[in-house]
Amino acid sequence: GAGVSQSPRYKVAKRGQDVALRCDPISGHVSLFWYQQALGQGPEFLTYFQNEAQLDKSGLPSDRFFAERPEGSVSTLKIQRTQQEDSAVYLCASTQREARTDTQYFGPGTRLTVL
Amino acid sequence: KNQVEQSPQSLIILEGKNCTLQCNYTVSPFSNLRWYKQDTGRGPVSLTIMTFSENTKSNGRYTATLDADTKQSSLHITASQLSDSASYICVVSEAPNFGNEKLTFGTGTRLTIIP
Repeated sequence: GAGVSQSPRYKVAKRGQDVALRCDPISGHVSLFWYQQALGQGPEFLTYFQNEAQLDKSGLPSDRFFAERPEGSVSTLKIQRTQQEDSAVYLCASTQREARTDTQYFGPGTRLTVL
Repeated sequence: KNQVEQSPQSLIILEGKNCTLQCNYTVSPFSNLRWYKQDTGRGPVSLTIMTFSENTKSNGRYTATLDADTKQSSLHITASQLSDSASYICVVSEAPNFGNEKLTFGTGTRLTIIP
């Protein structure tokens, strides 16, 4: 497809389970971002990749969160030992080049609910 | 801490009317300001991007303004349509040291257009 896709769209996990969220950016896009959006809030930055390099992971809330983009295209956000406060929509965005003024194209998000 | 504040939190207007959404920010050093439209259950979609030197930018019925001195922006919607019902998010970017910029998102204004 032409846009950013994410899977699954919805994920329900029991507290303590590990989850993996996938992002397929627009083909050829250099930069990839992950955001966490709590209900009624704006997205909050988690991490940023330029190709396969993770240049900024300052937004990851704890060491239970891990992201990778091994071949510079598809990215996976992994959350270990999920907690209820991890419940949110996780958005992925990509830009064609360096992110400075490039338009970020967002995926539809994965809604994670931790019971 | 860098902040982006939006007002009003929610707004209801009649179809065909105009409206203006406000954004105040404290992000520094400033790189650019973006307005996004986010439909329920979807990822944000970029409407406008403005750098320091730009004080107005239009995208169809959407016109954004920027006053970098007072750190304020507005999004004006002309002749509203039912499809304009969405959350409108103001996003401000810090001037990066290199490559990776950091975006601060506002919590959005929830706009509802009624027939």
